[in-house]
Amino acid sequence: QSVLTQAPSASGTPGQRVTMSCFGSSSNIVSNAVNWYQQLPGTAPKLLIYSNNQRPSGVPDRFSGSKSGTSASLAISGLQSEDEADYYCATWDDSLNGWVFGGGTRLTVL
Amino acid sequence: QVQLQESGPGLVKPSQTLSLTCTVSGGSISSGSYYWSWIRQPAGKGLEWIGRIYTSGTINYNPSLKSRVTISLDTSKNQFSLKLSSVTAADTAVYYCARYYDILTGFHLWGRGTLVTVSS
Repeated sequence: QSVLTQAPSASGTPGQRVTMSCFGSSSNIVSNAVNWYQQLPGTAPKLLIYSNNQRPSGVPDRFSGSKSGTSASLAISGLQSEDEADYYCATWDDSLNGWVFGGGTRLTVL
Repeated sequence: QVQLQESGPGLVKPSQTLSLTCTVSGGSISSGSYYWSWIRQPAGKGLEWIGRIYTSGTINYNPSLKSRVTISLDTSKNQFSLKLSSVTAADTAVYYCARYYDILTGFHLWGRGTLVTVSS
């Protein structure tokens, strides 16, 4: 049982915009920045979004993040086949004094 | 550029201690103000943070694993290590080492991961 809650799956067709959410609580998402990671099959996670809505160098602007209250969202516009991956949200939890992750959302590009 | 590489036994017997090392190449583990972490992922499941050690030596562990985990830093070898005692099959996972600057920036650098199987 993950501290942060994500829907297990999402899907979209090429070119479409998809959104996935991450739900937490006052001790984590409300208090701290949310990061998003993309994990392609058989590879290590890659930082996609940091500090709620910032993209590391090299991440396309098709990827965007936002946060409001106890939830955060990742949006992918102009969906491409190579976006098919698992997406994880993460943030610091002040009560646990540690990092917490969502269970991940598996994105399928139809 | 800085890279991380995990190493250690791929098979550990139940009740024994799992020991892994993360070697930092392309830069000094002592330079900068970074947190060095271990994260694991059982097959087909999500990510679980194990713990972190700061460049200064300050350490934090996941409360659910705290009684069994030890993370240490060896600046002379440019490595940091993980020890997890009294392992069971539930500890079978891919173990990643990772680095972050602060909680705003997230884990911007990851190793490739190493699979550790707990089995007799």
